[in-house]
Amino acid sequence: QLQLQESGSGLVKPSQTLSLTCAVSGGSISSGDYSWNWIRQPPGKGLEWIAYIDHSGGTYYNPSLKSRVTISVDRSQNQFSLKLNSVTAADTAVYYCARSLSLQFDPWGQGTLVTVSS
Amino acid sequence: SSELTQDPAVSVALGQTVRITCQGDSLRSYYGSWYQQKPGQAPVIVMYGKNNRPSGIPDRFSGSSSGNTASLTITGAQAEDEADYYCNSRDSSGNVMFGGGTKLTVL
Repeated sequence: QLQLQESGSGLVKPSQTLSLTCAVSGGSISSGDYSWNWIRQPPGKGLEWIAYIDHSGGTYYNPSLKSRVTISVDRSQNQFSLKLNSVTAADTAVYYCARSLSLQFDPWGQGTLVTVSS
Repeated sequence: SSELTQDPAVSVALGQTVRITCQGDSLRSYYGSWYQQKPGQAPVIVMYGKNNRPSGIPDRFSGSSSGNTASLTITGAQAEDEADYYCNSRDSSGNVMFGGGTKLTVL
């Protein structure tokens, strides 16, 4: 059974860079036509899609975040990563990674809370 | 428009039927998916495509779509169905988007 697990810095200072990694286990990140996504959820609010990288390495970003976001994949480590620079308090959220096939997001990682604060 | 609109909150009596809706122009072009999120947990997909339930999702969950509106129906709602529900689709540029979510209360 495929499982995803987020890891990274839980506390980031304003203006710095948020870095997260999603480790994939129970299957290869290179198999199938899946895309690998980052989604976030500010406390008490809804879901916001951030970015995905597809099976051929193409990257796609939420236009509202595109100037600050980079998604990448390390197939040798079976993981993918997110970098969000110039963070502010508005970037405080639970960050999830998820696999997708078209609009089917499944499974999701458990999520990791990132707080932006000095 | 490039948005998905959901009612913020819906309630249903135990054992009754409830329909949760998602409206947006993109739903005329895409079959999105539905996600259930319980407090402190990650979302779980409960419906995708025209009316497809992932394995493990009870058959009291069903999906439909008409025009610019997608619906998730729970027939015979149970206490464990109390959760937030989100729909998703794509905007006019093909980017993924989620609806604002519906908080379902089972009375």
